[in-house]
Amino acid sequence: ELKVEQNPLFLSMQEGKNYTIYCNYSTTSDRLYWYRQDPGKSLESLFVLLSNGAVKQEGRLMASLDTKARLSTLHITAAVHDLSATYFCAVYYWNQFYFGTGTSLTVIP
Amino acid sequence: DGGITQSPKYLFRKEGQNVTLSCEQNLNHDAMYWYRQDPGQGLRLIYYSQIVNDFQKGDIAEGYSVSREKKESFPLTVTSAQKNPTAFYLCASSTIDRYTEAFFGQGTRLTVV
Repeated sequence: ELKVEQNPLFLSMQEGKNYTIYCNYSTTSDRLYWYRQDPGKSLESLFVLLSNGAVKQEGRLMASLDTKARLSTLHITAAVHDLSATYFCAVYYWNQFYFGTGTSLTVIP
Repeated sequence: DGGITQSPKYLFRKEGQNVTLSCEQNLNHDAMYWYRQDPGQGLRLIYYSQIVNDFQKGDIAEGYSVSREKKESFPLTVTSAQKNPTAFYLCASSTIDRYTEAFFGQGTRLTVV
């Protein structure tokens, strides 16, 4: 059974600080996705990573993929309150998207 | 505008009643998926379909049924056999090529009353 694990599950950080969310998965896949979910809302696509070494950046968020280590990271730079949300990583394997448990991020002023 | 439309946004079900959640997409995607999300939890796959008239069970298919009679539509029925159906239901669609990506509808919040 494929497992996708995120850590931390909960993250409280101060505005202006940097932090990294980790996503480990248990099988070979070179397709990794990051999504954002606001309370009561659906999932919004953030990044699509389709090869080993892929790095993508949008604003204060940067995602990377290391397929050999089966690890993706989502790095937050100089956090602002608007980034408060739950972040999910997902792996595509055998016609399915497998989602991590989610990381609930709260940015404190 | 291309996208995925789920309806209704909110749904209330009485004990012992079957209800059907609608999911329609105009993205010309081959694959469609249904996920269940409980409060503070991740997404669990109920059913998925890669082609019309074919679908596969996910991790928590018991108490649910689906059909895929048209490429654009993938309705989910929550049957009375599902004992704890209160949850947020998300429909998604994707291509089935190398560059696949899941796109989500706005969700249906189902509550048992």
